[in-house]
Amino acid sequence: AQSVTQLDSHVSVSEGTPVLLRCNYSSSYSPSLFWYVQHPNKGLQLLLKYTSAATLVKGINGFEAEFKKSETSFHLTKPSAHMSDAAEYFCVVSEWSGGSYIPTFGRGTSLIVHP
Amino acid sequence: DAGITQSPRHKVTETGTPVTLRCHQTENHRYMYWYRQDPGHGLRLIHYSYGVKDTDKGEVSDGYSVSRSKTEDFLLTLESATSSQTSVYFCAISSPDRGEGYTFGSGTRLTVV
Repeated sequence: AQSVTQLDSHVSVSEGTPVLLRCNYSSSYSPSLFWYVQHPNKGLQLLLKYTSAATLVKGINGFEAEFKKSETSFHLTKPSAHMSDAAEYFCVVSEWSGGSYIPTFGRGTSLIVHP
Repeated sequence: DAGITQSPRHKVTETGTPVTLRCHQTENHRYMYWYRQDPGHGLRLIHYSYGVKDTDKGEVSDGYSVSRSKTEDFLLTLESATSSQTSVYFCAISSPDRGEGYTFGSGTRLTVV
């Protein structure tokens, strides 16, 4: 069975400093992995996805993530945080299981950006 | 989001009443999902559909039923609403067999009083 663990419930950074949001996953086969962002009282927006192509994935707004199979990790990074990055971030794993594709969410990491 | 709409956006209902939430898509995606979002729990899967009349349960399906009579619409019904079902409900669509991501609706905020 697949599962996702987001290692930090909250991450606090200063504007202009790097961002690291950590995600470990468990999957039986070759999963697809995603990062979503949710701003307050908004829906979920896809940041980036990994679907077995390049292991370093670039997304929107300067975010990127690296798929490391040996470490079962898919950490999200950004070189320089902006105030507008303050939001909730979700790591998602999806794989073929029991005849269907089921996306499973982590519990989320709240990114706080200080001026 | 473009191609997916949820209705209503907000609803307040009384305990014990039935409630139906609607998810409508114009993208012709095969898969549709209903999630609930609660603080500290992320998004938890209630039910999903992999085709017309093809549905299955997720991890928190008790107290909920779904129907999908056509590709465009996926209905979530709370048979007899309880206060524990107060939540924000999100619908998602995808064609994951084509390597696509999941597109989410704007959510329905349901309050059961």
